[in-house]
This record gives sequence, structure tokens and C-alpha cells, in this order.
Amino acid sequence: EDQVTQSPEALRLQEGESSSLNCSYTVSGLRGLFWYRQDPGKGPEFLFTLYSAGEEKEKERLKATLTKKESFLHITAPKPEDSATYLCAVQAWDNYGQNFVFGPGTRLSVLP
Amino acid sequence: NAGVTQTPKFQVLKTGQSMTLQCAQDMNHNSMYWYRQDPGMGLRLIYYSASEGTTDKGEVPNGYNVSRLNKREFSLRLESAAPSQTSVYFCAIVRGGDTQYFGPGTRLTVL
Repeated sequence: EDQVTQSPEALRLQEGESSSLNCSYTVSGLRGLFWYRQDPGKGPEFLFTLYSAGEEKEKERLKATLTKKESFLHITAPKPEDSATYLCAVQAWDNYGQNFVFGPGTRLSVLP
Repeated sequence: NAGVTQTPKFQVLKTGQSMTLQCAQDMNHNSMYWYRQDPGMGLRLIYYSASEGTTDKGEVPNGYNVSRLNKREFSLRLESAAPSQTSVYFCAIVRGGDTQYFGPGTRLTVL
């Protein structure tokens, strides 16, 4: 069974204090790994897609990396506006690639 | 929200009542999905539609029905609502073959 776990469940950082969020996965055949940002009361907003181990993607203060068992979302010098819940999801090759499995998310708070 | 609209935004039902959640896209994407999101459990797939006229069950389909009458619209129906169906419901489309884009959500409370 495909599974995604995320840690920590919640993270509080001071503005400028860099850290990383973890996404661990087990999947029969990985087609893609996705990171989303979700603000309260809104739908998830797409951030990155990673396809193979060793791949990295960057956007502003965020950098996502992928290994064969996990992905990290590194946040460098965060600002209060980075406060949100960050979701990780995997897409498996089975079922014609229609199977997306989401983790429970990491709730990030960045204090000024 | 990447051209995905959902109605209504909020709804309160009594146990046993029925309702339909609507999702529409303004692009010509084949795949559409319905998820529910509950605290601490992440997004769970209810039903999906790979193309117009086809639908398939996801992880938690019990108590729901769906309809994909045309390429733009994918509706989710609760025939007899139960308190366990209190949740936030999201519709999503797939662009580029793999990336999902979500609507703003419908917050449903069943009393």
C-alpha cells in the first residue's frame, strides 16, 4: 500500500531561522512527488514536482530535494508570509498514474 | 485556483438530507478529482474521472456518488448526509499529465 508520512507535524521558527520539512514515502513505482502549500481556508497551491532521486527544485526561499525514500523541503531564512501548511504527495505508476497519495502535512509558523 | 471553481463555499445540512457539490473547470483537462480533507488525515480521494463519461472509486467512496456529464463539470452527491461526512471537500484537475491544481473548497457541516 502506498503511504506518505510527514514530519514534524508542526514547526515554529523565528524569522530568518532556516529549517527542513521531511516527507517519507513508500510507493510501488514513483511517477512523481509533489509539494503543495496550503493557507487556512484555501485549496492547496502547487509548489514543486520531483521525478527522480537526486533531483532538486528551487523557488525563492524554498528548495525541494528527493531521494529514493524521502523528500525534504528546505526553507532558507523564512519570513512570516511563509507560514502555512505544507503538503507532500506522491503519484504512483499503478492505475494508469491516477493514484495520488497525500501526507497529513506540516504546519509551519514563522514568527517575526 | 488554476481555473477550478467550486460551489457552494459553505453548507450546513441535517442528517439524512441530500446535496450536490459542484466543480467546474475553465480549461479542457481530462482528469478531475474529488477529495475530502479532515484534520490530521491529509487529503483522501473520494472519486476521480479520467475522462468525460468515466468515473472510478478512490480510497473513501462510501456514501458518495459522482457524475461527469461533460468535460467541464464533475459533481459530487451526498444522498443521505451523515455527521461523518462533515469535512472540507476539494475538487482538482490535472495539468501536464501529472500536476494537480485545486479549487477553493467547500466546507460542509452535517448536524
